[in-house]
Amino acid sequence: EAGVTQFPSHSVIEKGQTVTLRCDPISGHDNLYWYRRVMGKEIKFLLHFVKESKQDESGMPNNRFLAERTGGTYSTLKVQPAELEDSGVYFCASSSHRIVNSPLHFGNGTRLTVT
Amino acid sequence: GQQLNQSPQSMFIQEGEDVSMNCTSSSIFNTWLWYKQDPGEGPVLLIALYKAGELTSNGRLTAQFGITRKDSFLNISASIPSDVGIYFCAGQINTNAGKSTFGDGTTLTVKP
Repeated sequence: EAGVTQFPSHSVIEKGQTVTLRCDPISGHDNLYWYRRVMGKEIKFLLHFVKESKQDESGMPNNRFLAERTGGTYSTLKVQPAELEDSGVYFCASSSHRIVNSPLHFGNGTRLTVT
Repeated sequence: GQQLNQSPQSMFIQEGEDVSMNCTSSSIFNTWLWYKQDPGEGPVLLIALYKAGELTSNGRLTAQFGITRKDSFLNISASIPSDVGIYFCAGQINTNAGKSTFGDGTTLTVKP
């Protein structure tokens, strides 16, 4: 079974540019989450999809961040325009809705650097 | 929002030593989780705890869900070099919800 894959693994952009991160969850996992770790601090929840619907987007920092999951498969997270404080590691995770206490499976993350 | 205080922030130990780290919160959680992150990879679940007072082991790892539901600890016995990494605690209010509140992480270095 392929794990959660994220692309790109690293991205360096200038302030004001746009970046789109992609996440492919484990096949069959309806739950998809985006998390972010900034400056060596805690891993913070951004949002949660169930299939193509946003279940909880309470962690999204502001309207410069847009997450989509069209068709309920892969997801994208777009940052436009990027600011310096957006630098960090963005993690995607997925889990199965069919299994009670299904654990989160994390991808390797995308390290975003905004200069 | 809720915050977890995880300590220590970092640890430098000799191979073979035991390790202990903990997390405390001002809020109650119904699930406590411990993850390990290896360099360049995502966090991997080590242990999940679902009941207050629960003590669970996974090989050399032991974790406990505090009786007040506001804290948890993780012990690693007889550390080995591959234990190196960042350990995160995480709490969930709703089990099976997936939305977790994470601590800042404990960076473990093991000297051979």
